Amino acid sequence: EVQLVESGGGLVRPGGSLRLSCAASGFTFSDAWMNWVRQAPGKGLEWVGRIKSKSDGGTIDYAAPVKGRVTISRDDSKNTLFLQMNSLKTEDTAVYYCLAFDYWGQGTLVTVSS
Amino acid sequence: DIVLTQSPLSLPVTPGEPASISCRSSQSLLHSKGNNFLDWYVQKPGQSPQVLIYLGSNRASGVPDRFSGSGSGTDFTLKISRVEAEDVGVYYCMQVLQIPLAFGQGTRLEIK
Repeated sequence: EVQLVESGGGLVRPGGSLRLSCAASGFTFSDAWMNWVRQAPGKGLEWVGRIKSKSDGGTIDYAAPVKGRVTISRDDSKNTLFLQMNSLKTEDTAVYYCLAFDYWGQGTLVTVSS
Repeated sequence: DIVLTQSPLSLPVTPGEPASISCRSSQSLLHSKGNNFLDWYVQKPGQSPQVLIYLGSNRASGVPDRFSGSGSGTDFTLKISRVEAEDVGVYYCMQVLQIPLAFGQGTRLEIK
């Protein structure tokens, strides 16, 4: 059974940093192209970024609103995906999901507020 | 960037009646290998999204056969042959052809 478990969310001040994790199981993590998707309160889904598998080049792409402020990485030895978020803004407040193939985690809430 | 436009944004349906959601793309989602890179998801209240249809018309494992996806290129449709109370939620199309990946605005299905 595929499982994706996000963690690391919380309350952070504007300008602060946060590192999210997504622990994966039930599939060959190293072969998967992994995505981060977010959902602001009461809003729709917004793609944040993607990291390809190392065998496919490991390319990382980001959405324009977060480019330069976030870094996606992966640790295939630990089956874990990361999202390092810096210079956080109030508009980054959202539930952050990891997405692999068509499977989603339960999400972790990030609140940026003073 | 590819933009997906869903309609309607709100869909009240009587149980047992059919429902249809349109998703139009600003660019063709037809890959050179013949697949349409368009997926459909539903997000039920308080839950994460879950896949219904992948590559335009393929029903995901465990999805009831009352759900079907059709279309090609820029015009896609999700159909529910007979709506049930458990189908309440927000339905999203998502293009996975090119970066940046993108979602439609979502269609909220409610029961009359």
